[in-house]
Amino acid sequence: GDSVTQMEGPVTLSEEAFLTINCTYTATGYPSLFWYVQYPGEGLQLLLKATKADDKGSNKGFEATYRKETTSFHLEKGSVQVSDSAVYFCALIGDLYNFNKFYFGSGTKLNVKP
Amino acid sequence: DAGVTQSPTHLIKTRGQQVTLRCSPKSGHDTVSWYQQALGQGPQFIFQYYEEEERQRGNFPDRFSGHQFPNYSSELNVNALLLGDSALYLCASSLDDEAFFGQGTRLTVV
Repeated sequence: GDSVTQMEGPVTLSEEAFLTINCTYTATGYPSLFWYVQYPGEGLQLLLKATKADDKGSNKGFEATYRKETTSFHLEKGSVQVSDSAVYFCALIGDLYNFNKFYFGSGTKLNVKP
Repeated sequence: DAGVTQSPTHLIKTRGQQVTLRCSPKSGHDTVSWYQQALGQGPQFIFQYYEEEERQRGNFPDRFSGHQFPNYSSELNVNALLLGDSALYLCASSLDDEAFFGQGTRLTVV
């Protein structure tokens, strides 16, 4: 079945460091891929998405490229800020006709120190 | 637009009790899904409602049931609560290729 695997955390970085959070997926067909962010005590916010191979999603300095050949969707940011501290979830939707059925990874907690 | 709203925000129940959680979807969204997020885990799909019918269901027991009303709002009911049902319950509403999540209801079973 469909699934997502992402690197375990926590990831601790200093402000302005480069961030990579790895995400790989297993899916039949052609999934759409997402990164969501969850701040303490809050729900999920969409960070970025990509709906087909080689698409690059980007938002707020974060980027991720849909790599079908490696079944990956790694999240990157060139210079993190303290305000980026949160839990990041990689997710997929296997079937656009069931758009609301997400498969999530277990989340990666990011701590950014001043 | 208020987005997806869930109530209550926090809830404490005793084992064996029943609970009802509520979700109001984003304006115009006709599909509502529910997810359970245990502490330190990613959200897990419970079920999805569309046109007042359960359209899909994840791997959850029958103690979990739901309802969708004509105005697209939805309820999640859990019977015979177990300690393991303690989690953040998230509602997501969608229309076509757009989906939004609510802030969640934190359920604690004691």
